[in-house]
Amino acid sequence: QQKVQQSPESLSVPEGGMASLNCTSSDRNFQYFWWYRQHSGEGPKALMSIFSDGDKKEGRFTAHLNKASLHVSLHIRDSQPSDSALYFCAASDTNTGKLTFGDGTVLTVKP
Amino acid sequence: GALVYQYPRRTICKSGTSMRMECQAVGFQATSVAWYRQSPQKTFELIALSTVNSAIKYEQNFTQEKFPISHPNLSFSSMTVLNAYLEDRGLYLCGARLSNTGQLYFGEGSKLTVL
Repeated sequence: QQKVQQSPESLSVPEGGMASLNCTSSDRNFQYFWWYRQHSGEGPKALMSIFSDGDKKEGRFTAHLNKASLHVSLHIRDSQPSDSALYFCAASDTNTGKLTFGDGTVLTVKP
Repeated sequence: GALVYQYPRRTICKSGTSMRMECQAVGFQATSVAWYRQSPQKTFELIALSTVNSAIKYEQNFTQEKFPISHPNLSFSSMTVLNAYLEDRGLYLCGARLSNTGQLYFGEGSKLTVL
C-alpha cells in the first residue's frame, strides 16, 4: 500500500473559487508534511509545511493537519489560473530523513 | 535565496549508454541531497539519500552499481545512470536541504530520454 495517498486525482475549479486537496498517510513515522507545486516543465517547489495539529495559513493557502488520522489538506481560496499545476503532498520521516511523495493532484483553474 | 541548479536539463542517449547529471546548491550548504526519478506518469521514486558524514543510502530497486552518486562537498552532487534502458526514462530531480526536517529545494531536473 502506498504510504502517501492523495485525492482527488484531478480537480477543476472556476477562477475565484476554492480548491481543496487531500492527503492521507499510513505511516506514523511521518511527522512533517509538505505541499509542493509543480508547473509543467519545472521542478517541484515547496508551498508550505505543517507539523502541528490544526490550520496554518499563508496568504491564499491554508493547510490543515490532523495527526490522529494522519490527514492533511490544502485549501486554495480565490484560485487563479496561474494556480493550475500538479500538487504533491509529501511526508517526512524524521528518523530516516526521507521525503515520500503522493501521486499528485492535477488542479485546473478555469478563467 | 536558496537555489538548486541541475545540468543538463535534458539528454537523449542510446540504449546501453550512460548519462551523468550534476546538482549544485547555491546560497546554502546542503547537509543532505536526495535524488528522485519522476516517471512519465509524474510519480516520484526516491533513488538515494546522501547525508554529510554518512554513507549514501539507496532505496530498494536502486543500486550504487547502476546509479553511482558522488557528494564531495556541501554544495555539489552528481549521479550517473549507467547502461540506460527504456525503463530508466524520466525526469531526474535533485533535492537539497539544510536539515533533516527542512525544506527540500529542488532543481528543474534532468530529463532522460533513451532511444
